[in-house]
Amino acid sequence: DGGITQSPKYLFRKEGQNVTLSCEQNLNHDAMYWYRQDPGQGLRLIYYSQIVNDFQKGDIAEGYSVSREKKESFPLTVTSAQKNPTAFYLCASTGGAYYGYTFGSGTRLTVV
Amino acid sequence: AQKVTQAQTEISVVEKEDVTLDCVYETRDTTYYLFWYKQPPSGELVFLIRRNSFDEQNEISGRYSWNFQKSTSSFNFTITASQVVDSAVYFCALSEVWNQGGKLIFGQGTELSVKP
Repeated sequence: DGGITQSPKYLFRKEGQNVTLSCEQNLNHDAMYWYRQDPGQGLRLIYYSQIVNDFQKGDIAEGYSVSREKKESFPLTVTSAQKNPTAFYLCASTGGAYYGYTFGSGTRLTVV
Repeated sequence: AQKVTQAQTEISVVEKEDVTLDCVYETRDTTYYLFWYKQPPSGELVFLIRRNSFDEQNEISGRYSWNFQKSTSSFNFTITASQVVDSAVYFCALSEVWNQGGKLIFGQGTELSVKP
């Protein structure tokens, strides 16, 4: 079955460490997105990529980095520069405006 | 500029009540799509419905119904005879055809709590 896989589901890291969240899709979608969600809050766009080897900053890109070396994969690195990294991170992909997004199940990151 | 507003941050109802979640959007595009997603406590967003800007027919799916009115730029979602399992955060979203890649503009979400 086609879909998006995010791993791991839960991630714990010590303050000051970089951490990479995985997002893989087998839907053949060109565009992929990373969102951050804090408790009781909406979705905030971190980075997005509409084609391999290209990506754009979203609304809250500071302290994050991404790469898009393959169509299927869009990993997100939360760097030590991110002031408050504890949050729920959602990855999504789309085949175009008509389709809307397919979402992954999310990664809950806790930095202690 | 494109924008989606869900003015209701939280709604609490008792089981079997009907409830309507409001969604108002802004866009300059004449061709666009509107969506509703459900986010249960598990976290993953689940697609509920898509509407294109040329189709103003209301849609009903079981206990769910959607009312799309271009004149008021609204796409409201009604749950009839609510159940505890309907408790979730619901997001309304907009995609514009001109917007390459189909990036969605989300509302802030409405948290629905259905009490037994």
